[in-house]
Amino acid sequence: AQKVTQAQTEISVVEKEDVTLDCVYETRDTTYYLFWYKQPPSGELVFLIRRNSFDEQNEISGRYSWNFQKSTSSFNFTITASQVVDSAVYFCALLNNAGNMLTFGGGTRLMVKP
Amino acid sequence: DTEVTQTPKHLVMGMTNKKSLKCEQHMGHRAMYWYKQKAKKPPELMFVYSYEKLSINESVPSRFSPECPNSSLLNLHLHALQPEDSALYLCASSQGAGGGASETQYFGPGTRLLVL
Repeated sequence: AQKVTQAQTEISVVEKEDVTLDCVYETRDTTYYLFWYKQPPSGELVFLIRRNSFDEQNEISGRYSWNFQKSTSSFNFTITASQVVDSAVYFCALLNNAGNMLTFGGGTRLMVKP
Repeated sequence: DTEVTQTPKHLVMGMTNKKSLKCEQHMGHRAMYWYKQKAKKPPELMFVYSYEKLSINESVPSRFSPECPNSSLLNLHLHALQPEDSALYLCASSQGAGGGASETQYFGPGTRLLVL
């Protein structure tokens, strides 16, 4: 069985603050895939990033950055200089090696206040 | 273009009604998924279609009946639903599913269903 834990259920920051969303996972697969999705109030899940288990290189995309630490089974997401438009629920997810089971964490609701 | 469309956006139905949710993608993806999401919860997988064949059914009650008429379309037929079935129903697609593929799932905007 696989599991994804997002310990932070809600985070509130003021615009321009940096914020890190935590994600910890459990799996017995040696090959697996990690994702972050954003869900704004409209409901659509927006794909942000995919990281393969054999690639621990961190990634930066604009104000977003991801820190993958296989040793601690964590895949954290940092938003730099947050903006009101970043307000959403963010889900971390784990895809098994077989590619047929995507397990979501409980989600973190981020509120960015002006 | 990573776009999955879903209709309708909102649906209100009585427990004796029959309705259908529709999902469409034109990315050439061969796997399509239905998820159910209750408020303040993560999405839960219901069904997976791979190459137009049902490959996973996560013990979903028979009042939910999926259909994949072709590789671009996925329907979810609803009959005799209960109020607890009220939720956001999300459709997703990916290039493939299973067999070691590491496929990204792209989601539609969802249908918000209210069962009275």
